Amino acid sequence: EDQVTQSPEALRLQEGESSSLNCSYTVSGLRGLFWYRQDPGKGPEFLFTLYSAGEEKEKERLKATLTKKESFLHITAPKPEDSATYLCAVQAGGNKLVFGAGTILRVKS
Amino acid sequence: GAGVSQSPRYKVAKRGQDVALRCDPISGHVSLFWYQQALGQGPEFLTYFQNEAQLDKSGLPSDRFFAERPEGSVSTLKIQRTQQEDSAVYLCASSPLLANTGELFFGEGSRLTVL
Repeated sequence: EDQVTQSPEALRLQEGESSSLNCSYTVSGLRGLFWYRQDPGKGPEFLFTLYSAGEEKEKERLKATLTKKESFLHITAPKPEDSATYLCAVQAGGNKLVFGAGTILRVKS
Repeated sequence: GAGVSQSPRYKVAKRGQDVALRCDPISGHVSLFWYQQALGQGPEFLTYFQNEAQLDKSGLPSDRFFAERPEGSVSTLKIQRTQQEDSAVYLCASSPLLANTGELFFGEGSRLTVL
């Protein structure tokens, strides 16, 4: 059974304090790993797709990396507007995504 | 608007009532998904449509859940005889592609509370 575990469950950072979120996965035949951002009361918003170990993607203060067992979302010098829940998902067979429970990030100024 | 539109945004139902949740995907998007998100959890897959064809309904939790997309555009998720455990946010997502690349456009969701 495909599984995704995210850690930590919650993370509080000061503005400018860089950190990383972790996504560990167990899947047979990874077709893609995805990061989404979700603001309170909103639907998830797509951030990145990673397909193979060693791949990296960047967008503004965010950088996603992938190994054979986990992915990291690195946040460099975060700002309060980066506060959100970050969701990781994997796609194996079929068209469905399997999501983790998310990491709630709070950045204080 | 240009995004995925869901209605109602909030629905309160008494246990045993039937509910219908509507999704208007982005125009021209062929793929449509329904996910269920419980409080504090990630979304869980319910069902997938490619145009009007329901290709995967493996995530529907019981036969009380039914989804349709008769003309390949608007979709409706129906829940019969609602139970308290059905309380959740129901998210609709669409994609312009036939195959799921994982880049989905989500609506804001319909929050269902069953009393």
